[in-house]
Amino acid sequence: KAGVTQTPRYLIKTRGQQVTLSCSPISGHRSVSWYQQTPGQGLQFLFEYFSETQRNKGNFPGRFSGRQFSNSRSEMNVSTLELGDSALYLCASSSRTGPYGYTFGSGTRLTVV
Amino acid sequence: GQQLNQSPQSMFIQEGEDVSMNCTSSSIFNTWLWYKQEPGEGPVLLIALYKAGELTSNGRLTAQFGITRKDSFLNISASIPSDVGIYFCAGQLKGAQKLVFGQGTRLTINP
Repeated sequence: KAGVTQTPRYLIKTRGQQVTLSCSPISGHRSVSWYQQTPGQGLQFLFEYFSETQRNKGNFPGRFSGRQFSNSRSEMNVSTLELGDSALYLCASSSRTGPYGYTFGSGTRLTVV
Repeated sequence: GQQLNQSPQSMFIQEGEDVSMNCTSSSIFNTWLWYKQEPGEGPVLLIALYKAGELTSNGRLTAQFGITRKDSFLNISASIPSDVGIYFCAGQLKGAQKLVFGQGTRLTINP
């Protein structure tokens, strides 16, 4: 079966712009979580959605937001981009809420210039 | 917030050698997971541990959930070139929906 699909794979944006990243989970998976990966901070939890509801949120500013659609696809949005937002953004899906059976996508590499 | 201390940060070994890495924390975790990440890809789950003291193997990989629930280790036996990558431990706190990740161990193998 198809894995977790993240689009786009690479993105270059300018400071102050906003960006939307997309994640299509494994068919049948209803939980989608987002993580930010940077060399300095490592992998950090952004938020989790289950059945279109945000279940948990990490310690990120309000510029980071997300949503989940009825087909379980999820998007995350970052507004007013800063240089420090440059990172690999990873999406993981699971058949139930929580990290059980997490499968990660290949990520979207965001570069802010 | 919760932190996982993963060591070593990097390892340079010869093919065929055994590898050992570990994670410790001041917090008690309900679940320990070990992932491997290769360049350009997301982390791939290697082993999941759900009970204190549990010892689980996956081929040449063996991981254990510490009895205190505050630590875990991963061993790789008879390393091969495809073992190269970054290995992450991750812990889940009881009742939490997120994973807390270690900083990773970068494994390099000399053929």
